[in-house]
Amino acid sequence: KQEVTQIPAALSVPEGENLVLNCSFTDSAIYNLQWFRQDPGKGLTSLLLIQSSQREQTSGRLNASLDKSSGRSTLYIAASQPGDSATYLCAVPASGGSYIPTFGRGTSLIVHP
Amino acid sequence: GAGVSQSPSNKVTEKGKDVELRCDPISGHTALYWYRQSLGQGLEFLIYFQGNSAPDKSGLPSDRFSAERTGGSVSTLTIQRTQQEDSAVYLCASSKTGGRDTQYFGPGTRLTVL
Repeated sequence: KQEVTQIPAALSVPEGENLVLNCSFTDSAIYNLQWFRQDPGKGLTSLLLIQSSQREQTSGRLNASLDKSSGRSTLYIAASQPGDSATYLCAVPASGGSYIPTFGRGTSLIVHP
Repeated sequence: GAGVSQSPSNKVTEKGKDVELRCDPISGHTALYWYRQSLGQGLEFLIYFQGNSAPDKSGLPSDRFSAERTGGSVSTLTIQRTQQEDSAVYLCASSKTGGRDTQYFGPGTRLTVL
């Protein structure tokens, strides 16, 4: 059974810092990995999707990398802003041909001015 | 068209009552997912539809939970004889074809069982 772990569980930083959020998964036979953002009381917003054949994806100040063999992904946030404050979740499909995603518990990020 | 929509946004019910939650996916998306998010917990998969069929119902927590999808579009999640432990945010997501595509989430329905 696929398990996804996110570290750290919570992070509080001053504005302007560069951040690294970590995601690890136990079964490397994945099709893709997706990073989401969730604001309090809201649904999830897709940030980046990395296919298994890719090593990284970039969108603005966000960069996500994927190392399938080691079962790891990182989300890098450059020059953090208070508006980045949210919970960040990663998700990978389960193994064995299943398309059902397994989500990590998330990293709760606070960026203070 | 518009994003994924869910209704109601909030539902308060008494223990033992039945509730229906609705999800309108993005037009043309064949895959639809239901999840549950309890306070302080991660996202729990409930059920997945491909078209009108549900190839994977493994996440439904009990036989009080059921879901259907009609016309390859709207889906309803029904919880019968609600219990207090059913209180959670129920999230719906859709994707274009399935597992390799980006999932788009609705805003969720917050269910409170008194």
